[in-house]
Amino acid sequence: EAGVVQSPRYKIIEKKQPVAFWCNPISGHNTLYWYRQNLGQGPELLIRYENEEAVDDSQLPKDRFSAERLKGVDSTLKIQPAELGDSAVYLCASSLNWDSLNTGELFFGEGSRLTVL
Amino acid sequence: EDQVTQSPEALRLQEGESSSLNCSYTVSGLRGLFWYRQDPGKGPEFLFTLYSAGEEKEKERLKATLTKKESFLHITAPKPEDSATYLCAVQALVSGGYNKLIFGAGTRLAVHP
Repeated sequence: EAGVVQSPRYKIIEKKQPVAFWCNPISGHNTLYWYRQNLGQGPELLIRYENEEAVDDSQLPKDRFSAERLKGVDSTLKIQPAELGDSAVYLCASSLNWDSLNTGELFFGEGSRLTVL
Repeated sequence: EDQVTQSPEALRLQEGESSSLNCSYTVSGLRGLFWYRQDPGKGPEFLFTLYSAGEEKEKERLKATLTKKESFLHITAPKPEDSATYLCAVQALVSGGYNKLIFGAGTRLAVHP
């Protein structure tokens, strides 16, 4: 069974440029998460989707970050414009449903490493 | 404020040298504590769920335990392939009524032959 697929794996951009990350969750998983992981830190939630609906975007910096999950499957996370402090690994995860937060059984992709120069 | 602290930040062991990793937490109403393994360049991989003090879970050379204030990940006779960063997370109810996972910074474990 295919895992969570993310692209690109690596991205280097100049500050003020836009960037987008794509995530394809495990088939049948209704819940999708975007996390940001800074070097030497644990992941921090940016946004959680239940099907197409964003149910927790309280940590998403809405002035420059946006996300969408059309048709409740793939998702895209966009940053525009990027700042130096946005350099991090952006992880996508999926789970069967929101109840997986009670079990911790989230499946993570390999992440997209962003470097902003 | 809900918080998860892991110690040590880094641990170097010789193959076969058993040790423990610590995860202490402050959260209002623990709903679950989880351990993950993260290899370099990969996303975290789920290992264990613990719900109540006194609970234990085992998987191969790993055993996770939980008290009211902390959790331990015991590694018995580790092998080089156990080298990874081990992350601890708790489920917390945050403002807005949402459940979310709060991760610690992890312990980087290196096991040398």
